[in-house]
Amino acid sequence: GAGVSQSPSNKVTEKGKDVELRCDPISGHTALYWYRQSLGQGLEFLIYFQGNSAPDKSGLPSDRFSAERTGGSVSTLTIQRTQQEDSAVYLCASSLAQQGSYEQYFGPGTRLTVT
Amino acid sequence: AQSVAQPEDQVNVAEGNPLTVKCTYSVSGNPYLFWYVQYPNRGLQFLLKYITGDNLVKGSYGFEAEFNKSQTSFHLKKPSALVSDSALYFCAVRGGTSGSARQLTFGSGTQLTVLP
Repeated sequence: GAGVSQSPSNKVTEKGKDVELRCDPISGHTALYWYRQSLGQGLEFLIYFQGNSAPDKSGLPSDRFSAERTGGSVSTLTIQRTQQEDSAVYLCASSLAQQGSYEQYFGPGTRLTVT
Repeated sequence: AQSVAQPEDQVNVAEGNPLTVKCTYSVSGNPYLFWYVQYPNRGLQFLLKYITGDNLVKGSYGFEAEFNKSQTSFHLKKPSALVSDSALYFCAVRGGTSGSARQLTFGSGTQLTVLP
């Protein structure tokens, strides 16, 4: 079946601009996660959505970062007033989050470059 | 807080030889443990998991991992390495008790190179 998809695959933006990154999870997966992968910081958790519960935003690095998940499916990660340190690969993952099925399935990522 | 250590940044092995990629973890309560593989310019691909039960778990592409509770380790193994196994490998953990954080905490990754 279809896996997790993300768009765009690459995004180059100027410092100070806003960007939106999109994630389409695997159909039927109730949990959705955003991570960031960068050379200096490795893989970092950003935010987690589970069903209709309030999202866990504990990993967001600043208030310039926000995310929403509409209709329990598609998610958008928004970065306002981008900075050069925001350059990274942004990975989305989804999971069934049921007992015994906690593995997360990752999309190909969006490579963000802030110039 | 949960954490994962992958003590080797780089592992080199000859094709046909057994390989081991090391991982140790720290988490409150029972651990849920995972291995992922990342090929260049690709996302992370799930290999295998330990949730409960048999300490030796088998996964995709002939990989297996052994859970050792006393040593808090979850080393990835394969009896006979292939050149195509060359990639970046990540170990990850999350807590298994009620109230544990649901996100994965990843190690820093180990670059595996299988030499022909």
